[in-house]
Amino acid sequence: DSGVTQTPKHLITATGQRVTLRCSPRSGDLSVYWYQQSLDQGLQFLIQYYNGEERAKGNILERFSAQQFPDLHSELNLSSLELGDSALYFCASSIQGAGGQETQYFGPGTRLLVL
Amino acid sequence: QKEVEQDPGPLSVPEGAIVSLNCTYSNSAFQYFMWYRQYSRKGPELLMYTYSSGNKEDGRFTAQVDKSSKYISLFIRDSQPSDSATYLCAIPPPIQGAQKLVFGQGTRLTINP
Repeated sequence: DSGVTQTPKHLITATGQRVTLRCSPRSGDLSVYWYQQSLDQGLQFLIQYYNGEERAKGNILERFSAQQFPDLHSELNLSSLELGDSALYFCASSIQGAGGQETQYFGPGTRLLVL
Repeated sequence: QKEVEQDPGPLSVPEGAIVSLNCTYSNSAFQYFMWYRQYSRKGPELLMYTYSSGNKEDGRFTAQVDKSSKYISLFIRDSQPSDSATYLCAIPPPIQGAQKLVFGQGTRLTINP
């Protein structure tokens, strides 16, 4: 158990809908990362937040947005869902996220299926 | 060209065999190199990381970096069925004040008893 929790574990929804994925980082970790894992693209970095502020952005679609709240939990919002958004979404956390060899601890993921 | 390339396998070997997993990368500025292990339906977990060229050993696992060839390897000695998982190489690009990870595609490994 990494100490990172994600809810829900599974999500089935229809195209065009909007969903919210939630992540609670390990106690004391200030950085939260979101990744998308699909069969064809592998594990792709979406966005990083540090202590409530956006710190780094990857290939995150405009239909996707995230935020980190004062209690440090984070939410990833996916809107106007398409079939291709079906994937595993992972949250990870680390103490600072300032670079180097700092370990990122991954949650168990949310499996999203868009029908 | 992808920043990190990894043969997705799958790779299947008998128990006790030595396993070699490899990645290549394109950016010579990369400094840290990590290996994550991901069991089915679980999140990735950090297995090892290295900073410089050469070898780093941890039990049955050895991570090797060749910066001149931009090539990283993970060796597993005396492989066990419990090592069956997907192994991902991961590299944090040197972005000041941020740490995204760039992952290889992952190699699915099966150790057969």
